[in-house]
Amino acid sequence: AQTVTQSQPEMSVQEAETVTLSCTYDTSESDYYLFWYKQPPSRQMILVIRQEAYKQQNATENRFSVNFQKAAKSFSLKISDSQLGDAAMYFCAYRSEDSNYQLIWGAGTKLIIKP
Amino acid sequence: DTAVSQTPKYLVTQMGNDKSIKCEQNLGHDTMYWYKQDSKKFLKIMFSYNNKELIINETVPNRFSPKSPDKAHLNLHINSLELGDSAVYFCASTPWPSGKNIQYFGAGTRLSVL
Repeated sequence: AQTVTQSQPEMSVQEAETVTLSCTYDTSESDYYLFWYKQPPSRQMILVIRQEAYKQQNATENRFSVNFQKAAKSFSLKISDSQLGDAAMYFCAYRSEDSNYQLIWGAGTKLIIKP
Repeated sequence: DTAVSQTPKYLVTQMGNDKSIKCEQNLGHDTMYWYKQDSKKFLKIMFSYNNKELIINETVPNRFSPKSPDKAHLNLHINSLELGDSAVYFCASTPWPSGKNIQYFGAGTRLSVL
């Protein structure tokens, strides 16, 4: 069975600095998708970025980018120029092409932004 | 316009009561989900419906019963509420097939059982 591990329960970063959140996963499949979701204090789960495993190029969305290392089964999220509004829980998630497209979630990393 | 809406946002009730949480999506998606998020923020899938058909039914007490009257709605009914049911419940939806598709989440329902 697939698993997703986020080894950092909490991270903090100074405003305007860069922070990297780590995520590793375990799978025997070759085709799958990886996601980072953000959950601010408002509780709303919001997609941050998505990566298809068959794509070698790392996904980028404005200040958010990933370092996808397929062989190492690593999918870290880099946030550049951190802003106060980035403070949230960040969840890494995995989805295979089968298993009814169920998302497998990591335990989350709480990101604190210091002004 | 809210894409995935859940009601109520907060629900406080006594042990032993029966309660329902409603979810509606106006995105035209085929697949809907219920998740439970415990106090440690861990997200756990409970159920998934695709076009009114149950496709994921994880190991949850049978006091929890989902109902999908149509593909835009997925409600969650909980019988004989227990203290351990206190959590935030999220509804989500996605198009089918949904391998790469994004799941859109509702704002969550915080259930407190006293």
